[in-house]
Amino acid sequence: NAGVTQTPKFQVLKTGQSMTLQCAQDMNHNSMYWYRQDPGMGLRLIYYSASEGTTDKGEVPNGYNVSRLNKREFSLRLESAAPSQTSVYFCASSLGQGGGYTFGSGTRLTVV
Amino acid sequence: SQQGEEDPQALSIQEGENATMNCSYKTSINNLQWYRQNSGRGLVHLILIRSNEREKHSGRLRVTLDTSKKSSSLLITASRAADTASYFCATDGGSNYKLTFGKGTLLTVNP
Repeated sequence: NAGVTQTPKFQVLKTGQSMTLQCAQDMNHNSMYWYRQDPGMGLRLIYYSASEGTTDKGEVPNGYNVSRLNKREFSLRLESAAPSQTSVYFCASSLGQGGGYTFGSGTRLTVV
Repeated sequence: SQQGEEDPQALSIQEGENATMNCSYKTSINNLQWYRQNSGRGLVHLILIRSNEREKHSGRLRVTLDTSKKSSSLLITASRAADTASYFCATDGGSNYKLTFGKGTLLTVNP
């Protein structure tokens, strides 16, 4: 099925551990995004990639790094996880130039 | 900071009634979008309205945009239990590449 695929769906980390969240889209979209969703906070943009080869910080980039591996894949890395990074993470993609986003189903991350 | 803010935060109605949600934003936009999120799922794009449009329809959805008041509304007509979800507005703040989402309106449609 066409769309945005995120892995893993669930993850529990200990404080200080690292991990990479994977995201891939098969819609030939140019732009990709990582958001986090916390209760009462809505969605907040962590990083985005307007096109292959570019990445930019969003609203809450601290503690995260990203890699736009190719046009299809955009990964999010937590180098040293902290309890404040407990959240649901969503990857999204779009054609860019103001189009609608297609979201993945999310990764529920708990840092203990 | 949130660009768009939805109102009300929660709305409970009976099946068959209409549901209206509002969104206010702060800066100029190229377009405004509405999304739906069912519990535990990702967001689904519903409709996009450009800054030079005042009203747009899609099935049972009607969206209006008033750029002078920096506000938008989403109307769902003849609501169904399956419409129970959170609804978010998103604005681009003049950028073509990133959206800022509000905190959402939780709509509950009672059968």
